[in-house]
Amino acid sequence: DGGITQSPKYLFRKEGQNVTLSCEQNLNHDAMYWYRQDPGQGLRLIYYSQIVNDFQKGDIAEGYSVSREKKESFPLTVTSAQKNPTAFYLCASSRAGVKTDTQYFGPGTRLTVL
Amino acid sequence: GENVEQHPSTLSVQEGDSAVIKCTYSDSASNYFPWYKQELGKRPQLIIDIRSNVGEKKDQRIAVTLNKTAKHFSLHITETQPEDSAVYFCAAPSGGSYIPTFGRGTSLIVHP
Repeated sequence: DGGITQSPKYLFRKEGQNVTLSCEQNLNHDAMYWYRQDPGQGLRLIYYSQIVNDFQKGDIAEGYSVSREKKESFPLTVTSAQKNPTAFYLCASSRAGVKTDTQYFGPGTRLTVL
Repeated sequence: GENVEQHPSTLSVQEGDSAVIKCTYSDSASNYFPWYKQELGKRPQLIIDIRSNVGEKKDQRIAVTLNKTAKHFSLHITETQPEDSAVYFCAAPSGGSYIPTFGRGTSLIVHP
């Protein structure tokens, strides 16, 4: 289970607040991803990054922001513009540019808006 | 982009029975098809994958088959056990990308 970590495990947010979810990996992977998981919705891609200082929007990027200042770290900020942020958030990493590569997931952060 | 459909959404079986989950994809250039297992409250983990140059791959009680002509691939679990109960996701990358598109998941329930 080592290699990619997320913190905190549980996070509570009041409406109107921004919160930042942490994701760190020591797998030397270039590519990192953020997914949102809701019941019955599978895994939906929020943002991904193939290299330091570069990232692209996924399918549901509105209300979220990311940064990639270090290879090992890819934090996700859930802003007050995200209308329904309560969900389970998963971070993942893989080798970049390898079409047949496995994704390794972190343990997830469960965000609840109070 | 890729469109991945997964069926069924829920599958309930008796211990010892077989379970089959099927996924279809749209991009004929896709060439890598992983299956992930996610236990309740845990992270998804790869259980088996198949590349487009083979039609079937087996690992003990689990197997994956691929039909590139029909653009579908299936997960087969034999002699199911209660610990197989989990949500299973299939995925397929768009042909021009390594970013996978995931199916919506299948909740497998194995009754003792």
